Amino acid sequence: QVQLVESGGGVVQPGRSLRLSCAASGFSFRNYGMHWVRQAPGKGLEWVAALSSDGNNIFYADSVKGRFTISRDNFKNMLYLQMIGLRAEDSAVYYCAKDVGGGIRCPGFWGQGTLVTVSS
Amino acid sequence: QSALTQPASVSGSPGQSITISCTGTSSDVGGYNYVSWYQQHPGKAPKLIVYDVTERPSGVSNRFSGSKSGNTASLTISGLQAEDEADFFCASYTSSTTVIFGGGTKVTVL
Repeated sequence: QVQLVESGGGVVQPGRSLRLSCAASGFSFRNYGMHWVRQAPGKGLEWVAALSSDGNNIFYADSVKGRFTISRDNFKNMLYLQMIGLRAEDSAVYYCAKDVGGGIRCPGFWGQGTLVTVSS
Repeated sequence: QSALTQPASVSGSPGQSITISCTGTSSDVGGYNYVSWYQQHPGKAPKLIVYDVTERPSGVSNRFSGSKSGNTASLTISGLQAEDEADFFCASYTSSTTVIFGGGTKVTVL
């Protein structure tokens, strides 16, 4: 069955960096676009970034552009989110999600998320 | 870009039908047939229940149905059940090749 397992979250000071990982299994990872979506405690969903199945097309929300980098390794079935210059408003549960297709159209299946807390 | 507009809450009695609206612009909801809906129970990850405006993933109840008219998409839940009580979010592909979510709607089963 499809599985997405996020890791790498934790407590980090403002301005520091963190790298999130998402291990995919149960589907042909190289054939699907992938997303990162976050949810601050008690708040709604905010799309963060996505990349196409081949990793050549990458897009970011304005709120993270220039600070976050999404990448993937289709040999290891892994998705990553490198975050630098973290701010308090970046605190959230970060979900990785598999697109319904090969491009960037719609987050389909979601992992259980990893919590990032930015605090001094 | 502002979030898509959803009502904060919708309620209904068991067996009734309810509809949740999701209003955007011609640059997102109105411009593409890539509207999706998610159900989220407390403490759980969101679950896709409708994509491409009207399509249901395998295993999702046919009590959930989607539609769109102009810049507004809608999710209808028919035969409301206690287990349907959750937060519901809409989302749309945008002209900037991004995804935008609605603010979410809390569904209460009376």
